[in-house]
Amino acid sequence: GEDVEQSLFLSVREGDSSVINCTYTDSSSTYLYWYKQEPGAGLQLLTYIFSNMDMKQDQRLTVLLNKKDKHLSLRIADTQTGDSAIYFCAEATDKLIFGTGTRLQVFP
Amino acid sequence: DAGVIQSPRHEVTEMGQEVTLRCKPISGHDYLFWYRQTMMRGLELLIYFNNNVPIDDSGMPEDRFSAKMPNASFSTLKIQPSEPRDSAVYFCASSWVDSAGTSGSNTDTQYFGPGTRLTVL
Repeated sequence: GEDVEQSLFLSVREGDSSVINCTYTDSSSTYLYWYKQEPGAGLQLLTYIFSNMDMKQDQRLTVLLNKKDKHLSLRIADTQTGDSAIYFCAEATDKLIFGTGTRLQVFP
Repeated sequence: DAGVIQSPRHEVTEMGQEVTLRCKPISGHDYLFWYRQTMMRGLELLIYFNNNVPIDDSGMPEDRFSAKMPNASFSTLKIQPSEPRDSAVYFCASSWVDSAGTSGSNTDTQYFGPGTRLTVL
């Protein structure tokens, strides 16, 4: 079945790197997405990666995809307090399947 | 563009009342999605439309829920009668048509509205 799993919480110090992990089950996924949700707001697309890529970099964000292990990660370099939010990964099959979300807390 | 617009932002109602949530997608988008977010179940897809036609409503929890899209710029999600377990944040999202004019797919980048927080007492 379709299942996307993430750890629930991550706490990092400001300036450090954050790594948020995600595992998915459907090997036929075409795209994998990372969304960010700030308190009281909707989901905002951060970045995505096509399934035939293994890495994508976008400013402070690095996405790594391991198709063999069905593992996706999002690295945020130089994490800032403004990065505190819930991060969702999603796999695209015939619809988007979202993970449970990882709450990132950045402390000074 | 103002993005996806949802109204109301907050709704508090009593059990048994009818609730109508509204969504205006981004102009030019041809897919529209309704999601529900709760602590227990996370983000669930309820229904989505393509060119105003409902394509997949398998996520709609029961017959009390109905959704319509009378035109390309407006959709409603109605709950009648509402129950306390319907309390959640309801999101509307739309997906875009790429610059080549190719119709988007239901798994293309989705743009979310701010959500409606529904509380049923």
